[in-house]
Amino acid sequence: EVQLVESGGGLVQPGESPRLSCVVSGLAFKNYWMHWVRQVPGKGLVWISRLNSDGTTTAYADSVRGRFRISRDNAKNTLYLHMNRLSSEDTAVYYCASSPDPGSLGFWGQGTMVIVSS
Amino acid sequence: DIQMTQSPSSLSASVGDRVTITCQASQDIKKYLNWYQQKPGKAPKLLIYDASNLEVGVPSRFSGSGSGTHFTFTISSLQPEDFATYHCQQYDHVPLTFGRGTKVDVK
Repeated sequence: EVQLVESGGGLVQPGESPRLSCVVSGLAFKNYWMHWVRQVPGKGLVWISRLNSDGTTTAYADSVRGRFRISRDNAKNTLYLHMNRLSSEDTAVYYCASSPDPGSLGFWGQGTMVIVSS
Repeated sequence: DIQMTQSPSSLSASVGDRVTITCQASQDIKKYLNWYQQKPGKAPKLLIYDASNLEVGVPSRFSGSGSGTHFTFTISSLQPEDFATYHCQQYDHVPLTFGRGTKVDVK
């Protein structure tokens, strides 16, 4: 069974720099592209970042470029999202997802909620 | 960025109904269009990839068609478990972008 399990969310202060993690099991992690997608409850899905299978090519949405950094450790089957300079606009559920190609997100985690508030 | 215009934003239907949702891209995305189903409090689930390919394990009542800028998603006979929100998503260009979603609820 494929599982993606996010962690690292919670209540954070504006300006803090949390790191989200996504541990993947049940698939050949090193062969998959990985993504972060966020969703404000009750709103639509917003893709924020992508990393190719060997970790050499990244892409970001304008809203997070320069503040967030995606990375992966293929030895640990883990994807990361390093978040900086958070504001209330970053409050959302953050999902990690995998794809065998650049964009068909076939497996998703359960999501981790990040609430940015003082 | 490529804008994905999904319509309708919501619809009411009954079990057994045929349901159709459309997604229009602001520029040519070839076949790189996916459809997801999302239920409240859950992660999205990929149903259709590359416009018309059924993901493994997805019932055949779900189908997709289209290419270029105009795409259609159809549920041939709505089942009770199909009441959910459906999202289209393109991946021909970065940033990947989603439609605003279509909520299918009970008439």
